[in-house]
Amino acid sequence: DADVTQTPRNRITKTGKRIMLECSQTKGHDRMYWYRQDPGLGLRLIYYSFDVKDINKGEISDGYSVSRQAQAKFSLSLESAIPNQTALYFCATRGVEANTEAFFGQGTRLTVV
Amino acid sequence: RKEVEQDPGPFNVPEGATVAFNCTYSNSASQSFFWYRQDCRKEPKLLMSVYSSGNEDGRFTAQLNRASQYISLLIRDSKLSDSATYLCVVKGAAGNKLTFGGGTRVLVKP
Repeated sequence: DADVTQTPRNRITKTGKRIMLECSQTKGHDRMYWYRQDPGLGLRLIYYSFDVKDINKGEISDGYSVSRQAQAKFSLSLESAIPNQTALYFCATRGVEANTEAFFGQGTRLTVV
Repeated sequence: RKEVEQDPGPFNVPEGATVAFNCTYSNSASQSFFWYRQDCRKEPKLLMSVYSSGNEDGRFTAQLNRASQYISLLIRDSKLSDSATYLCVVKGAAGNKLTFGGGTRVLVKP
């Protein structure tokens, strides 16, 4: 089983719909992240959380919200999806030490039509 | 200016050749540096961390130049399986955020 699991893997939704992307991890890490990837733009940080009660905005948080339900779970919501939110979304987790590796989920390909 | 910049490529490399490319970062207080590899439509995976004195892992060599604020990755004896996008990742001084470059695409051809 993957250390970081994202569901769904693929989703097509209509403009204006609310959608939730879920992420769970078995690494025991406190730090969790949501990124989106668009061609040529690399991964951009949407939200991150360092603990269950900690939520922080990333560089592109507008139009998104998150919930850290437990140490192992971090979900991303699009309250009212719009076409320019079509992208590949990655969840990641990381330990506290400076040079530790980030582990990524397999990604969720979201298409908003 | 982007915080982390990379030449998007693609770098077309004959099998067995050496290829090298750089990544520049804007925040002089950045603390940690990494190279990640991403295959098409897959998740990024750590290739190697980059240490101040430079480090090598098999055919891969990473260097850090703090004065000029760039890191580099060199791949020797390129294999077809090295074809991928290589993401430069920088960890800032504050918090624990990782900032990604746009990636450099490498295509190794027979």
